[in-house]
Amino acid sequence: NAGVTQTPKFQVLKTGQSMTLQCAQDMNHNSMYWYRQDPGMGLRLIYYSASEGTTDKGEVPNGYNVSRLNKREFSLRLESAAPSQTSVYFCASSVGHRLSMGNQPQHFGDGTRLSIL
Amino acid sequence: AQTVTQSQPEMSVQEAETVTLSCTYDTSESNYYLFWYKQPPSRQMILVIRQEAYKQQNATENRFSVNFQKAAKSFSLKISDSQLGDTAMYFCAFIDRTYKYIFGTGTRLKVLA
Repeated sequence: NAGVTQTPKFQVLKTGQSMTLQCAQDMNHNSMYWYRQDPGMGLRLIYYSASEGTTDKGEVPNGYNVSRLNKREFSLRLESAAPSQTSVYFCASSVGHRLSMGNQPQHFGDGTRLSIL
Repeated sequence: AQTVTQSQPEMSVQEAETVTLSCTYDTSESNYYLFWYKQPPSRQMILVIRQEAYKQQNATENRFSVNFQKAAKSFSLKISDSQLGDTAMYFCAFIDRTYKYIFGTGTRLKVLA
């Protein structure tokens, strides 16, 4: 079972470069999420998509854009990378709406370690 | 805005002992769900246990149990018979009807042999 697949696993960028992180899930989940994880900060929600065709801002959306390409795929774009965006990025998915929220544990990808110089 | 607070950045416990990790949260919602996730050094996020706010009974999953105090907005995780494989970061998380997850900052647990 693939679950949630993130690409790439590692990336180094220069300040000002752009980059898209890809995420795909094969569990027919409705909701998808992008987080960043920084030491001492836990996981902070960047953007999420409760269902196909919708996207919403999370706690730290500045400097990022997202696209819910279809039900399977949810990409995160850095238009002009900054050193403050150096982090580990996680994509996650969950069953989503029309079901009990109790059935909402998130399934996570393995993360992308992004360094911006 | 909803917040989740984990006040213990690091903890350690002897193998086979019991340890309790604390989590408090703040919300004005009446219906929501709480989760504990584990992140071992492999960096994978693994669901440990979940609790529905409208259920008074505390959730239990094998050696893991919670103490859910809704009025106090407290959701602690108890790990019994700690094992070396329990060494990980543990995150408390909250979700309400908006499907927006909020995570705490985590507690790093080290199980000592």
